[in-house]
Amino acid sequence: EAGVVQSPRYKIIEKKQPVAFWCNPISGHNTLYWYLQNLGQGPELLIRYENEEAVDDSQLPKDRFSAERLKGVDSTLKIQPAELGDSAVYLCASSLEGRISGIDEQFFGPGTRLTVL
Amino acid sequence: AQSVTQLGSHVSVSEGALVLLRCNYSSSVPPYLFWYVQYPNQGLQLLLKYTTGATLVKGINGFEAEFKKSETSFHLTKPSAHMSDAAEYFCAVSVPPGGSYIPTFGRGTSLIVHP
Repeated sequence: EAGVVQSPRYKIIEKKQPVAFWCNPISGHNTLYWYLQNLGQGPELLIRYENEEAVDDSQLPKDRFSAERLKGVDSTLKIQPAELGDSAVYLCASSLEGRISGIDEQFFGPGTRLTVL
Repeated sequence: AQSVTQLGSHVSVSEGALVLLRCNYSSSVPPYLFWYVQYPNQGLQLLLKYTTGATLVKGINGFEAEFKKSETSFHLTKPSAHMSDAAEYFCAVSVPPGGSYIPTFGRGTSLIVHP
């Protein structure tokens, strides 16, 4: 079974430029997460999708960040314009929720390491 | 709101020695607790999780953790460290409303294994 796929793995841009990250979750997983991981920190949730609906986006800086999950499968996270402080690793994860326990394992992609110069 | 504190940003052990990574949580309701491992340039992988039931949880790669409500702790242990255990370890807590959950992660502990 293929894991969560993210691209690109690395991205270097100048500040004020736009950037986009792509995530393809594990087939059949209805829930998708975008996390921000700063150096030396744990992941912090940016947005969570259940199918194509964003159900938790309170931590997403909406002035410059946007995300979409068309057709409830793959997802794109965009930053426009990027700032120096956006340099971090952006992780995507997926899970299959809705089982009896409602608790299921999150499967993480390898992340996209963004460097803003 | 829930939170997690991982004591020690770095833990160094010799190969074959006991591994102990500490995690304390704060939660107003019974929590769900997780340990994840992250190898360099990779995503996080679930080691083990506690939801309900038996407080001693066994995970992959010989790791286990014990939920101690009185101490609000969920420390991760492994009897004998292997070089391949060197990685970043994250403790996470969640409080699921209606069965779906969003974990809050600790800052992570880097495990260093010396030959």
